[in-house]
Amino acid sequence: AQSVTQLGSHVSVSEGALVLLRCNYSSSVPPYLFWYVQYPNQGLQLLLKYTSAATLVKGINGFEAEFKKSETSFHLTKPSAHMSDAAEYFCAVSVGDKIIFGKGTRLHILP
Amino acid sequence: GAVVSQHPSWVICKSGTSVKIECRSLDFQATTMFWYRQFPKQSLMLMATSNEGSKATYEQGVEKDKFLINHASLTLSTLTVTSAHPEDSSFYICSAPPRNRGIGELFFGEGSRLTVL
Repeated sequence: AQSVTQLGSHVSVSEGALVLLRCNYSSSVPPYLFWYVQYPNQGLQLLLKYTSAATLVKGINGFEAEFKKSETSFHLTKPSAHMSDAAEYFCAVSVGDKIIFGKGTRLHILP
Repeated sequence: GAVVSQHPSWVICKSGTSVKIECRSLDFQATTMFWYRQFPKQSLMLMATSNEGSKATYEQGVEKDKFLINHASLTLSTLTVTSAHPEDSSFYICSAPPRNRGIGELFFGEGSRLTVL
């Protein structure tokens, strides 16, 4: 069965520092992977997605993620954190028409 | 852009009553909608897939008689929590893929927070 595992339910970084949110996937077939973001009191928004084209995927707000088959990973990064990046981030995998989410990682930005 | 709207955004009800939550696609038609449940500080759990004109498909462990789903039109799906109990208190979120979407591109509603007293 396809699934994703997010490492760390909470991550804190200083403003201006590198953001790294970890996600590992399990899939018997080439997966379609996604990162979604949920800002406080808002619905989820798609940050970026991997659909077997380029392994380095760029998303909105300066985020990017790299698909590494050898490590079964799809970590999310941003070079320089901004206060507005504080949110809940969900890694997800497509299973047919469905999207299955990881448990989420709450990103805290320290001033 | 495409928008999915849920109503109500929050509801408080007494134990034993039923609550209906609506999910509307505002500027696109959706033959399929997905209902998720999110517990505090936890991930979204897919409850069921709502199919326009046919029965919903429920995920394993989700009670069909408890969570009634109706997809009466191409822009509206409803989730009714029947005989609600405190353990049903949660954040319910719907989503829909617009036509001609890319894989995995779902638009999410703002969610409906249900509190059962």
